[in-house]
Amino acid sequence: QKEVEQNSGPLSVPEGAIASLNCTYSDRGSQSFFWYRQYSGKSPELIMFIYSNGDKEDGRFTAQLNKASQYVSLLIRDSQPSDSATYLCASPRGKLIFGQGTELSVKP
Amino acid sequence: GAVVSQHPSWVICKSGTSVKIECRSLDFQATTMFWYRQFPKQSLMLMATSNEGSKATYEQGVEKDKFLINHASLTLSTLTVTSAHPEDSSFYICSAEDRASYEQYFGPGTRLTVT
Repeated sequence: QKEVEQNSGPLSVPEGAIASLNCTYSDRGSQSFFWYRQYSGKSPELIMFIYSNGDKEDGRFTAQLNKASQYVSLLIRDSQPSDSATYLCASPRGKLIFGQGTELSVKP
Repeated sequence: GAVVSQHPSWVICKSGTSVKIECRSLDFQATTMFWYRQFPKQSLMLMATSNEGSKATYEQGVEKDKFLINHASLTLSTLTVTSAHPEDSSFYICSAEDRASYEQYFGPGTRLTVT
C-alpha cells in the first residue's frame, strides 16, 4: 500500500460545480498535508496546508483533514476552467510523500 | 507566497556534456532543498534531498556521481547533470523548505533536452 494515495482521475466537473478531490494515507503518524496544483508543463504550486482535524477554508478552496479515518480532501467551489490541472496531496515527513495526483477537468 | 527561482528555465545540450541547474530561494532561507525529476504524464520523482553545508541524500536508484548536488548557502542549491545522455532529458524541479514555516515551495522547473 502506498503511503499516500489518490484517484488518478480524470475527474470531470461542469463549470460552477463543486470539485471534490480525495487522498488517503496509511501512516497514522502523519500530522499535516499539503495540496499542490500542477498545470501541464509547469511545476507544482502550493495552494493549501492543513495540520488540524477539521476544515480549513481559503477563498474557493476548503481542505478537510480527518485523522481518525486517515483521509484528507480538497473541495473547490464554483469550479472554473482555469482550475483544470493535476492536484497533488503530500505529507511532509522530512521529504514530501506525494500521492500520484488527480487530474481535474472543468468543462465550460 | 515565498518565491523559488531556477536557472536556466530550459537548456539543450549535446550528449556527453554537463549541465548545471541553479535553485534559489529569493525571500526566505532554506535549510533543505529537494530535487525532483518529472517525465511527461508521470508524477514527480524525488531524486535527492540537499541540506545546507552537508552532503546530499540520494533516493534509491539515483546515481550520485551523475547528479552532483551542492548546497553552498541557505538560499542556493545546484544540480549538475554530468555526462548527460538523451535519457536524462526531463523536467527538473527543485523545491525549498522555509526553515521558519516548514512549507515547501517549488521552483518553476528546468526543461533539459539532451541531443
